[in-house]
Amino acid sequence: EAGVTQSPTHLIKTRGQQATLRCSPISGHTSVYWYQQALGLGLQFLLWYDEGEERNRGNFPPRFSGRQFPNYSSELNVNALELEDSALYLCASSSLKGEKLFFGSGTQLSVL
Amino acid sequence: AQSVAQPEDQVNVAEGNPLTVKCTYSVSGNPYLFWYVQYPNRGLQFLLKYITGDNLVKGSYGFEAEFNKSQTSFHLKKPSALVSDSALYFCAVYTGGFKTIFGAGTRLFVKA
Repeated sequence: EAGVTQSPTHLIKTRGQQATLRCSPISGHTSVYWYQQALGLGLQFLLWYDEGEERNRGNFPPRFSGRQFPNYSSELNVNALELEDSALYLCASSSLKGEKLFFGSGTQLSVL
Repeated sequence: AQSVAQPEDQVNVAEGNPLTVKCTYSVSGNPYLFWYVQYPNRGLQFLLKYITGDNLVKGSYGFEAEFNKSQTSFHLKKPSALVSDSALYFCAVYTGGFKTIFGAGTRLFVKA
């Protein structure tokens, strides 16, 4: 069984640019979660998508957005990048709502 | 406010000795509690969970955790540490509302 896959592995952008991160959940999982892991700050919940809809959102500004496609894959978009957006962005999926999460290896976003 | 605390940024232990990584939580109701492990440049991997039943939960790689309702704690333990156990460990609580809250993480160093 293929795990959660994320692309790209690394992404380098400059301030003000836009970044698009992608995630494919485990087959059969309908829920996708996005987390930001900034150095020293643990995991911060960003967004939850289920069945194509945004279901919950963490305490992040609107320039963090995303969507979920009919095949349950998901994109995270970050507009007007700021230096402090540099972090590891982790995607997770689950089959049961709120239950055990399966994580991808993450996208390391560096904003210069 | 619902929260998870991991009071130690780092735990150092010699190989072969028992290890404990501490976690306390503050949530309403009966929480679902989890431990995840993160190896360098990887996403998080599920170790174990507590939902109900026996207070001592056994998980992957010889780890176990003890749920203590009166102390609102869920400490991770292993009787004999291995160098390969060195990693970042996260305690997490599923709070309902389909959101999982993570602690800040504890870095475990096991010295040979």
